[in-house]
Amino acid sequence: SAVISQKPSRDICQRGTSLTIQCQVDSQVTMMFWYRQQPGQSLTLIATANQGSEATYESGFVIDKFPISRPNLTFSTLTVSNMSPEDSSIYLCSGGLASTDTQYFGPGTRLTVL
Amino acid sequence: GENVEQHPSTLSVQEGDSAVIKCTYSDSASNYFPWYKQELGKGPQLIIDIRSNVGEKKDQRIAVTLNKTAKHFSLHITETQPEDSAVYFCAASKEGYQKVTFGTGTKLQVIP
Repeated sequence: SAVISQKPSRDICQRGTSLTIQCQVDSQVTMMFWYRQQPGQSLTLIATANQGSEATYESGFVIDKFPISRPNLTFSTLTVSNMSPEDSSIYLCSGGLASTDTQYFGPGTRLTVL
Repeated sequence: GENVEQHPSTLSVQEGDSAVIKCTYSDSASNYFPWYKQELGKGPQLIIDIRSNVGEKKDQRIAVTLNKTAKHFSLHITETQPEDSAVYFCAASKEGYQKVTFGTGTKLQVIP
């Protein structure tokens, strides 16, 4: 299995600012992903974090708004840029382990934008 | 892309009764179907999964069934307990470690 931690666990930010969320995995996972969960809603995939190269974004999400880095197999960051109240959500990272063919989720970062 | 529908959106059962949540998916290439439980303020926790070469899987009070022809899969919880109260998500993907498409979620309330 894999244990995933995220920092910060929650934050309150002013509109127009940016926040970087960190995701650390205790195993060398094959894949890492970032999801958004709006209040009372399901999880929507933002992007696949690719090691050492640009992330692969899903429809409706762009690099300028959600830049992602993954410098190694166990760490990734997601930045929410130029925030507006509509960005208030829970942001979750996950790690997919090919050896167990399973995906594990972090606890999430609860973001409130005022 | 994949689309996963989930029903019902809310479910209330008496403690000790059974709960059933149903999902359908659209992409015939999907081969892996996990179920996640999400408690308030926490990330989704994998509770059981099933792969396309298996029709049914059971783990204590929890069972999943898969009808690949009809593109249906279901979660069955027997002898429900108050601690089963949470939001449950079904999901689908091509491989277990690949990106996951989630259903819309079912809020289960077990009434003591």
